[in-house]
Amino acid sequence: KNQVEQSPQSLIILEGKNCTLQCNYTVSPFSNLRWYKQDTGRGPVSLTIMTFSENTKSNGRYTATLDADTKQSSLHITASQLSDSASYICVVGRLDTGRRALTFGSGTRLQVQP
Amino acid sequence: NAGVTQTPKFRILKIGQSMTLQCTQDMNHNYMYWYRQDPGMGLKLIYYSVGAGITDKGEVPNGYNVSRSTTEDFPLRLELAAPSQTSVYFCASSLQGESYNEQFFGPGTRLTVL
Repeated sequence: KNQVEQSPQSLIILEGKNCTLQCNYTVSPFSNLRWYKQDTGRGPVSLTIMTFSENTKSNGRYTATLDADTKQSSLHITASQLSDSASYICVVGRLDTGRRALTFGSGTRLQVQP
Repeated sequence: NAGVTQTPKFRILKIGQSMTLQCTQDMNHNYMYWYRQDPGMGLKLIYYSVGAGITDKGEVPNGYNVSRSTTEDFPLRLELAAPSQTSVYFCASSLQGESYNEQFFGPGTRLTVL
């Protein structure tokens, strides 16, 4: 069964600190992995998209890593800001016809405190 | 560009009532999608469309209907609202299939069925 598991479910950190969010998946055959940021009351916004051949991708203070062998990904946030408070969703795409090919994780809720 | 817009933002329905959730995109994207997001769960695909006049079921289509008469619009219809349809609904679009292309999400519609 295609699944995406994220940990931790929630996390509280102090402003300026770093943190790492984890994503494990069993989706097969693998096509790509995305990280989305979802602010409260808003739709998800794409942070990074990585294919099988990529093992790291950065977007400002966000750095995603991918280990396709162990089927794990992480999202590292550097020097956190209050605006980083949001849910972070890991999404894995299956190599398919392009239809119904995405599996969404349930997200990690991050709260950055001053 | 406004991107993906959804109306209404909030709605409360009584059991058995009907309503249409509106979704419009101005990016000339071929693919459009409807998801629902339940608390603590990943997004689930309800219906999707690969172009005007073409729609197909996702993971959880029961109780919903869609139509795609134009490239821009993709309304979601609830015919007989049930409490199980209480959720946040997101519309999204992508230029091509979601397995390979970034999806852009609307702000969501929060629906409560009492």
